[in-house]
Amino acid sequence: DSGVTQTPKHLITATGQRVTLRCSPRSGDLSVYWYQQSLDQGLQFLIQYYNGEERAKGNILERFSAQQFPDLHSELNLSSLELGDSALYFCASSVGGQGNEKLFFGSGTQLSVL
Amino acid sequence: DAKTTQPPSMDCAEGRAANLPCNHSTISGNEYVYWYRQIHSQGPQYIIHGLKNNETNEMASLIITEDRKSSTLILPHATLRDTAVYYCIVRGISSNTGKLIFGQGTTLQVKP
Repeated sequence: DSGVTQTPKHLITATGQRVTLRCSPRSGDLSVYWYQQSLDQGLQFLIQYYNGEERAKGNILERFSAQQFPDLHSELNLSSLELGDSALYFCASSVGGQGNEKLFFGSGTQLSVL
Repeated sequence: DAKTTQPPSMDCAEGRAANLPCNHSTISGNEYVYWYRQIHSQGPQYIIHGLKNNETNEMASLIITEDRKSSTLILPHATLRDTAVYYCIVRGISSNTGKLIFGQGTTLQVKP
């Protein structure tokens, strides 16, 4: 158990809909990261937050947005869903969000868009 | 961050050592080598990291060549539970972001 909690574990929805994925970081970690893993793209970095502020951005679509709340949990919002958004979405956390830190990953949310 | 090259797949007999190579010929002086693994559809798991000296922990050993252009992850006694995708990642320690950029990794199949 990494200490990172992601909910829900599975999500099935239809094209055009909007969903919210939730992540609670390890106790004491201030930084969260979101990744997308699809069969053809591998693990793709989406975005990083540190203590409520955006720290780094990857190939995150404009239809996707994220935020980190004062209690440090984070949410990834996916809107106008397309079939190609079906993927595993992982959240990770680290203490300070710096380059010398280990990342701890949650068990992921499997999103299926039908 | 420097790019890494890994073989797409490898096999290993259960109980034998698994040696996973990684090339990172463009690595710079302030970049570490990290290894993570992902067991089927689970979240990636940290294994080990190093700068230039060999490192060992309870999971594995990391051997980095003297010129730092390549490294080898060693699982001393592979078990079936070590079957996973192994990622070699180079990352600057002075970076203000802890993001990891994953490549395709090496799929290690441990066989009975």
